[in-house]
Amino acid sequence: KNQVEQSPQSLIILEGKNCTLQCNYTVSPFSNLRWYKQDTGRGPVSLTIMTFSENTKSNGRYTATLDADTKQSSLHITASQLSDSASYICVVSDRGSTLGRLYFGRGTQLTVWP
Amino acid sequence: EADIYQTPRYLVIGTGKKITLECSQTMGHDKMYWYQQDPGMELHLIHYSYGVNSTEKGDLSSESTVSRIRTEHFPLTLESARPSHTSQYLCASSESRGARNTIYFGEGSWLTVV
Repeated sequence: KNQVEQSPQSLIILEGKNCTLQCNYTVSPFSNLRWYKQDTGRGPVSLTIMTFSENTKSNGRYTATLDADTKQSSLHITASQLSDSASYICVVSDRGSTLGRLYFGRGTQLTVWP
Repeated sequence: EADIYQTPRYLVIGTGKKITLECSQTMGHDKMYWYQQDPGMELHLIHYSYGVNSTEKGDLSSESTVSRIRTEHFPLTLESARPSHTSQYLCASSESRGARNTIYFGEGSWLTVV
């Protein structure tokens, strides 16, 4: 069964600190992995997209890594800001269908305190 | 900035009422999607479309229906709302080609059935 597991479920850090969120998946055949940021009550916004051949992708203070061999990804947030408080969702796409089916994790709820 | 819009953002209706959630995008995307998301849970695909006059049911069984008469418009209808339909509904769109195509989400429609 294709699955996406994220950890931790929730995380509290102080403003200015760094943090790393984890994503493990079993989706096969793998196409790409995306990280989304979802503010409370809003729709998800894309942060990064990585295909099989990419190991790392940065978007400002966000850096995502991918190890397709171990089927693990991480999202590292540097120098956190209050506005980083949100749910971070890992999404994995397969290439076994025309749709490119998306498998969503439940997200890591990040809270940044001043 | 994503050009995908959902209305209404928030709605409270009585059991048995008919409701249509509107979704429009101005990016010319062929693929459009409807997801259902309960608080703290992952997104579940309920409907998708490859283009005009193309609609398919997703992974999650849903009593809703959709239509795709125009490329930019993908409304979702509940003929008879029930309290179990209380949830957040997210509309999304993407280009047809490429494994790295970004999926853009609307802001969501929060539906409460009383």
